[in-house]
Amino acid sequence: AQSVTQPDIHITVSEGASLELRCNYSYGATPYLFWYVQSPGQGLQLLLKYFSGDTLVQGIKGFEAEFKRSQSSFNLRKPSVHWSDAAEYFCAVVGGYSGGSNYKLTFGKGTLLTVNP
Amino acid sequence: DAGVTQSPTHLIKTRGQQVTLRCSPKSGHDTVSWYQQALGQGPQFIFQYYEEEERQRGNFPDRFSGHQFPNYSSELNVNALLLGDSALYLCASSFFRDSHNSPLHFGNGTRLTVT
Repeated sequence: AQSVTQPDIHITVSEGASLELRCNYSYGATPYLFWYVQSPGQGLQLLLKYFSGDTLVQGIKGFEAEFKRSQSSFNLRKPSVHWSDAAEYFCAVVGGYSGGSNYKLTFGKGTLLTVNP
Repeated sequence: DAGVTQSPTHLIKTRGQQVTLRCSPKSGHDTVSWYQQALGQGPQFIFQYYEEEERQRGNFPDRFSGHQFPNYSSELNVNALLLGDSALYLCASSFFRDSHNSPLHFGNGTRLTVT
């Protein structure tokens, strides 16, 4: 079965510092991978996705992620963190299809990001 | 262009009661999925509806049921509520035939508290 591990429950960085959030997946075939962000009391917003092609994926808000098949990883990075980036971040993998191209997602438990001024 | 809307935003119920949550998909979307997010956890897939039929189901008991209407909106019903059902319930919509280019759009969720 597909699974996602986010090893870091909570990360604190200073504003302006670089950020890397780790994600490891378990999947038998080529994975389809996502990063979502959730602000307090809000739903999930898609940051970026990887389906195929270039292993370095650019997303919104200055985020990027790199797919490394050999390490089963899809880490999220940002060169300079802003206070508004404080939120919870979820990595997810497609966990199965229901016909057509429609899928369900299997999420990790999330990483809470705190940004110090 | 309205995104995914869910109602109500908050709900408090007593153990043993039944609850109905509602979701309207993003304009142009025809598929609705429901996820449960317990405190401190990632969302877990409950089920997915397309063409008014349940297409996929996660590891949830039969107390969890759903429905999709001809206008693509959906309801999630939970019977015989347990304390452990307390969670944020997220609805997500997508376009069945092109989900890769039309990824899941999530609503802000319904916070259910069972006392």
